[in-house]
Amino acid sequence: DGGITQSPKYLFRKEGQNVTLSCEQNLNHDAMYWYRQDPGQGLRLIYYSQIVNDFQKGDIAEGYSVSREKKESFPLTVTSAQKNPTAFYLCASSIDRANTEAFFGQGTRLTVV
Amino acid sequence: AQSVTQLDSQVPVFEEAPVELRCNYSSSVSVYLFWYVQYPNQGLQLLLKYLSGSTLVESINGFEAEFNKSQTSFHLRKPSVHISDTAEYFCAVSEAWPGGYQKVTFGTGTKLQVIP
Repeated sequence: DGGITQSPKYLFRKEGQNVTLSCEQNLNHDAMYWYRQDPGQGLRLIYYSQIVNDFQKGDIAEGYSVSREKKESFPLTVTSAQKNPTAFYLCASSIDRANTEAFFGQGTRLTVV
Repeated sequence: AQSVTQLDSQVPVFEEAPVELRCNYSSSVSVYLFWYVQYPNQGLQLLLKYLSGSTLVESINGFEAEFNKSQTSFHLRKPSVHISDTAEYFCAVSEAWPGGYQKVTFGTGTKLQVIP
């Protein structure tokens, strides 16, 4: 079945540690996105990538980094510079035309302990 | 710049009653409109979309939304809700940026709670 897989579903991190969230898609989509979701704030765009080896900062990129070495994969690293990393993280992909919808993974809930 | 406003953060409604979830947007260009649904601890799923043509669009589970260009609205409605409709609903606007790629903006979401 085609879709987007995020792993792990739950992740705990100690303060000061970097952690990487995985996102893989087999939909052959060019565009991939990372969103952060906090209660009452909707989805905020962290990074997006339209093509392999290229990515752009979204609205809240500080403290995060990404790579896009393969079309299928778009991992997100939450660095120790991110001051408030506890959140629900969603990865999505799309054909990257304005009249197409995004397909979402099941999310990763990151908790800093 | 485009923006999406969902004024109601929570909407409680009794089972089998009608519901309307409001969405207003602003944009300087032509847009495409979407409603997504999110169940607890899951990702978002597309509920319905307006691309062109008829301003009334429907989903397979009884929801409908009407695009109103003059009021820049895309409200979501269902004539009779079920317990299983309890979820958070997000309105989204997509527009084409120079170069052809899309810019999507999501609203802050409305939690629909269906009361037995």
